[in-house]
Amino acid sequence: EPEVTQTPSHQVTQMGQEVILRCVPISNHLYFYWYRQILGQKVEFLVSFYNNEISEKSEIFDDQFSVERPDGSNFTLKIRSTKLEDSAMYFCASTQGAMRDTQYFGPGTRLTVL
Amino acid sequence: SQQGEEDPQALSIQEGENATMNCSYKTSINNLQWYRQNSGRGLVHLILIRSNEREKHSGRLRVTLDTSKKSSSLLITASRAADTASYFCASTGGGNKLTFGTGTQLKVEL
Repeated sequence: EPEVTQTPSHQVTQMGQEVILRCVPISNHLYFYWYRQILGQKVEFLVSFYNNEISEKSEIFDDQFSVERPDGSNFTLKIRSTKLEDSAMYFCASTQGAMRDTQYFGPGTRLTVL
Repeated sequence: SQQGEEDPQALSIQEGENATMNCSYKTSINNLQWYRQNSGRGLVHLILIRSNEREKHSGRLRVTLDTSKKSSSLLITASRAADTASYFCASTGGGNKLTFGTGTQLKVEL
């Protein structure tokens, strides 16, 4: 069964450094998402992406964050200058269609900012 | 309850028993999805119920949706130790984003 993959599984970085989290959505899916989950808290929406542009973003997704689909398969989340509070599990998700479809999640990248 | 909180926050049962988790939401929804998360791991999709559906089954899972009460429940029948995990409901409203609740931690003991 097709699945969403994410790399790396764990990223450790120093505060102020840039990180890029990578995702490969399911191949025939058109809508892509990033969510994050701070340890012990609920999963929070960051951004959705369709047709090579952001379709919706949350208050969390400020100027330090950006997303890109650099080729036909990868979907990336970049954090320009990481802060301690960016430490979280980051999940990528994708759907084939729009709001009425199942969102399939990747296994997550655990980001630790020191 | 979720979107929001979930009820209960934690549930401990014996293997073979049924587990029921409830979730409520505040705004109109297009669909509601249930996910499972094993400790520190990814989110596994369990079942999706659309706003015009009242009940849905998948294997040992039964989900109900009451849009008049803005609530949903997930029933796991004949639970197994492997069902031990956190369970989340998540809904989509006007857009595509999922809004998650705080989840129920289920522990199934042998």
